[in-house]
Amino acid sequence: KQEVTQIPAALSVPEGENLVLNCSFTDSAIYNLQWFRQDPGKGLTSLLLIQSSQREQTSGRLNASLDKSSGRSTLYIAASQPGDSATYLCAVLGFINDYKLSFGAGTTVTVRA
Amino acid sequence: KAGVTQTPRYLIKTRGQQVTLSCSPISGHRSVSWYQQTPGQGLQFLFEYFSETQRNKGNFPGRFSGRQFSNSRSEMNVSTLELGDSALYLCASSFSDLNSPLHFGNGTRLTVT
Repeated sequence: KQEVTQIPAALSVPEGENLVLNCSFTDSAIYNLQWFRQDPGKGLTSLLLIQSSQREQTSGRLNASLDKSSGRSTLYIAASQPGDSATYLCAVLGFINDYKLSFGAGTTVTVRA
Repeated sequence: KAGVTQTPRYLIKTRGQQVTLSCSPISGHRSVSWYQQTPGQGLQFLFEYFSETQRNKGNFPGRFSGRQFSNSRSEMNVSTLELGDSALYLCASSFSDLNSPLHFGNGTRLTVT
């Protein structure tokens, strides 16, 4: 069974600092890994999707890397802003369990003004 | 372009009752997937529909079922509700399948008393 872990569970940083969020997964047979953002009481917003053949994806201040062999992905958010405060989740689409998504528990980020 | 719409936003039901939740995907999206989010278990995949057919299924009991209509709108039904079914139910749509960016609705908050 695919296990997805996100450490730390919570993170608080001053505005302007770079954010580094970690995601690890137990089985490297994956189609893709997605990073999402969730605001309180809302659904998820897709930030970046990295296909299994890719090493990284970038969008604006966001950069996500993927290392399948070690089962790790890292989301970097440059020059954090208070508006970046949210819960960030990663999800892995794997071959195990017949092609379904497995989510991490998320990292709750607070950016202090 | 309208996003994913889920109705109702909130529901309160009694144990033993059944409930139906609705999801309207983004126009042109043919894949709709459903998720349960609870504080204890996090986000868990329920099932995915494409062209009115269930294509993938998570590890939930048969009380959880769904369907998709020819216009790609989807409904999820939970029968014989249990207290543990209290959760935020999210649906997501994508253009083709789970291996493409997912667009989530804001969810239906179900409370079972």
